[in-house]
Amino acid sequence: LAKTTQPISMDSYEGQEVNITCSHNNIATNDYITWYQQFPSQGPRFIIQGYKTKVTNEVASLFIPADRKSSTLSLPRVSLSDTAVYYCLVGDVGSTSYGKLTFGQGTILTVHP
Amino acid sequence: GAVVSQHPSWVICKSGTSVKIECRSLDFQATTMFWYRQFPKQSLMLMATSNEGSKATYEQGVEKDKFLINHASLTLSTLTVTSAHPEDSSFYICSKTGGFDEQFFGPGTRLTVL
Repeated sequence: LAKTTQPISMDSYEGQEVNITCSHNNIATNDYITWYQQFPSQGPRFIIQGYKTKVTNEVASLFIPADRKSSTLSLPRVSLSDTAVYYCLVGDVGSTSYGKLTFGQGTILTVHP
Repeated sequence: GAVVSQHPSWVICKSGTSVKIECRSLDFQATTMFWYRQFPKQSLMLMATSNEGSKATYEQGVEKDKFLINHASLTLSTLTVTSAHPEDSSFYICSKTGGFDEQFFGPGTRLTVL
């Protein structure tokens, strides 16, 4: 599984856009990039997944450059409730072992009033 | 709504006792489920893969005789922490793979061993 590197923590203010970048230099051809959000004492929650270029859903956007060695999770207009840990994971979704996820340290996002 | 439930949400037990944690798939059957452990201020760590109708597969360093996994039905996997000790105190989370390859995680079970 490709190793990922994220900032340990980030701070933002309500209403701002937050971009969290993840580095995955040894991503494989079949690997997808997936981001999860985790609140204290809760299980992680799927946010978004992509393979290349840009993916957008109702909560976030995911930007992936052509070389796919990094990705950026973009959270538009964050609120206090977006304070959480965000994990970037890379893996082959078609693999039978895909569910065996390797979590990195994650990024602690703190949103201030 | 939630697609994976866990019971109990928290449990406190005395050292030496065994504790069973249930993980249920609520929306559709799950032949494979996964168990993770998370210590305070640390990331999730995969413990084992639970396979319906067959033995679980454990990650390196996880004692299979201590963490018993039973996946007796297509919607239920159980993790039993046998002879629990304070160092087993942790947040235990199960998951399954969804239809679009996302992982659905349960709400977690906080185990505290006194």
